[in-house]
Amino acid sequence: EVQLVQSGAEVKKPGESLKISCKGSGYSFTSYWIGWVRQMPGKGLEWMGIIYPGDSDTRYSPSFQGQVTISADKSISTAYLQWSSLKASDTAMYYCARHDGATGFFGDYWGQGTLVTVSS
Amino acid sequence: EIVLTQSPDFQSVTPKEKVTITCRASQSIGSSLHWYQQKPDQSPKLLIKYASQSISGVPSRFSGSGSGTDFTLTINSLEAEDAAAYYCHQSSSFPLTFGGGTKVEIK
Repeated sequence: EVQLVQSGAEVKKPGESLKISCKGSGYSFTSYWIGWVRQMPGKGLEWMGIIYPGDSDTRYSPSFQGQVTISADKSISTAYLQWSSLKASDTAMYYCARHDGATGFFGDYWGQGTLVTVSS
Repeated sequence: EIVLTQSPDFQSVTPKEKVTITCRASQSIGSSLHWYQQKPDQSPKLLIKYASQSISGVPSRFSGSGSGTDFTLTINSLEAEDAAAYYCHQSSSFPLTFGGGTKVEIK
């Protein structure tokens, strides 16, 4: 069974750093892309970026380029989304999703989401 | 960047009614358009891929059509469990983008 399990909710202060994770199982982790999607409170879905764990090829949305870093550790089938200095506006739910680049970049399996709250 | 414009933003519908949601792309994307359903407090779920291709396990009342710049998601005979937000998503080119979403409420 394909599963993406994300790390738990986080409460941070502005200026702090954070790294959240998404662990894949039930499939070949290095053969599929993992994308990250932001959903701010009460708002829609925003595509942030995507990584291919097989060779770490990474693409970012211009809106998020330079604001976050996407990485992956294929040895433990885990993708990451990290911030070096959080802002209150980073408060949101973050989802990871598996994408089969061979058949198309759509999210066929999704993680349960990680809620990030940034507040002083 | 390809902009996807969904309409309507909100729709209140009685059970068994037909629902139609449209998604317009700012430039031609062929059939690289996918639809998701997101119920309250849940992760998004893939409903339709490549404009009209069905997904295993998704009820047959959900269907998609369109190509180029204009796409439609249709829910035939709406059921109470279909109360959710619906999003279109393009994979024609990076950056991938989502439409703004359509919230469907059951009257």
